[in-house]
Amino acid sequence: GENVEQHPSTLSVQEGDSAVIKCTYSDSASNYFPWYKQELGKGPQLIIDIRSNVGEKKDQRIAVTLNKTAKHFSLHITETQPEDSAVYFCAAPNFNKFYFGSGTKLNVKP
Amino acid sequence: NAGVTQTPKFRVLKTGQSMTLLCAQDMNHEYMYWYRQDPGMGLRLIHYSVGEGTTAKGEVPDGYNVSRLKKQNFLLGLESAAPSQTSVYFCASSSRQSSDTQYFGPGTRLTVL
Repeated sequence: GENVEQHPSTLSVQEGDSAVIKCTYSDSASNYFPWYKQELGKGPQLIIDIRSNVGEKKDQRIAVTLNKTAKHFSLHITETQPEDSAVYFCAAPNFNKFYFGSGTKLNVKP
Repeated sequence: NAGVTQTPKFRVLKTGQSMTLLCAQDMNHEYMYWYRQDPGMGLRLIHYSVGEGTTAKGEVPDGYNVSRLKKQNFLLGLESAAPSQTSVYFCASSSRQSSDTQYFGPGTRLTVL
């Protein structure tokens, strides 16, 4: 199966700073890489995703970059706000299954 | 649209008891999944279904059974609960397969004493 590693496990930033979370994967056949945000007491929710035919995708303050050669992809959040505080998960598919990273707890300090 | 709903939201069991968790989706999705979430371990796939009447094992299927008798429902069963099954359980659905967005339910917090 796929092996997805995520770093860091916790990240604390000042409001307005940028945050970067990185993931690596093992299966070179993976072609879809989503990022999920999980707020306390809720289920994960997709915030952005990227497919293997592009290297970068942006959506307002959020961007994802993909390096297929190195098998890693990253989530970038700019101008962080307190409401960005949550746990973020990366994932990679393998056949019909999703493999998730272990999560990053982001704390944005006002 | 309610999206993905799960019942119950909380449950406490004694070791050896059985229970069924219900997941329902109103998006006409083909694929449905059951995950468990433990601290520091992310989400791990228990079982999944690629369509009505089908089920398949995920990463951690031992101790669980599932059924998908109707397209909109996916049931997760624990026949003889163990303390190691204390976890938060999430159901998800997607329209096609793993290259499609997965929509998650709000979760069920299960404690096995």
